Amino acid sequence: EVQLVESGGGLVQPGRSLRLSCAASGFTFGDYAMHWVRQAPGKGLEWVSGISWDSGARGYADSVKGRFTISRDNGKASLFLEMNSLRVGDTALYYCVKDMGDGQIMGYFRHWGQGARVIVS
Amino acid sequence: SALTQPASVSGSPGQSITISCTGTTSDVGASKYVSWYQQYPGQAPELIIYDVNTRPSGVSSRFSGSKSANTASLTISGLRAEDEADYFCSSYTGSDTRVFGPGTKVTVL
Repeated sequence: EVQLVESGGGLVQPGRSLRLSCAASGFTFGDYAMHWVRQAPGKGLEWVSGISWDSGARGYADSVKGRFTISRDNGKASLFLEMNSLRVGDTALYYCVKDMGDGQIMGYFRHWGQGARVIVS
Repeated sequence: SALTQPASVSGSPGQSITISCTGTTSDVGASKYVSWYQQYPGQAPELIIYDVNTRPSGVSSRFSGSKSANTASLTISGLRAEDEADYFCSSYTGSDTRVFGPGTKVTVL
């Protein structure tokens, strides 16, 4: 069974940094692209960032480009999101999401974690 | 959002409803990478359609997808009370970037 467990969320002041982690299990982590998707309270889904299986391709939403960095450690089956210069508007539940397919970024969000809550205030 | 969806759609049990997802030639119209998600309150979303019109294993055949030019559509046939949820489309917007639509709330009357 695919399991994605996020950690590292919390309350942080504007302008500060936070690092989210996602521990994956139940599948061969290094075979799949991974993503971060966020959802502000009472709002819709926002794709934040994605990374291919080998970290060769990385994409970011315009809203976070230059502030957030996605990375992965295939040996430890872990995904990360380094968030700098945080803004009040970054407040959301951040989901770790497994893509489908062959390891490239397809954007088919097949399996989701339960999310890590980030509050910037 | 670069994509537009109706804020709400409603129907009676047994009816069919269609949710549209309109983009541009740079996103929905540019590739097959269109997908749809169902989300119940307080839960993580679930993928219900990918590749415009393909259902993952375990997803009801009452859900179907299509695309014409810059508009993708999700149709729910034989509407049931359990279909009451939020639905989001997602599309390619560039080689390594994706975007979600704003979401549509489906109400079963």
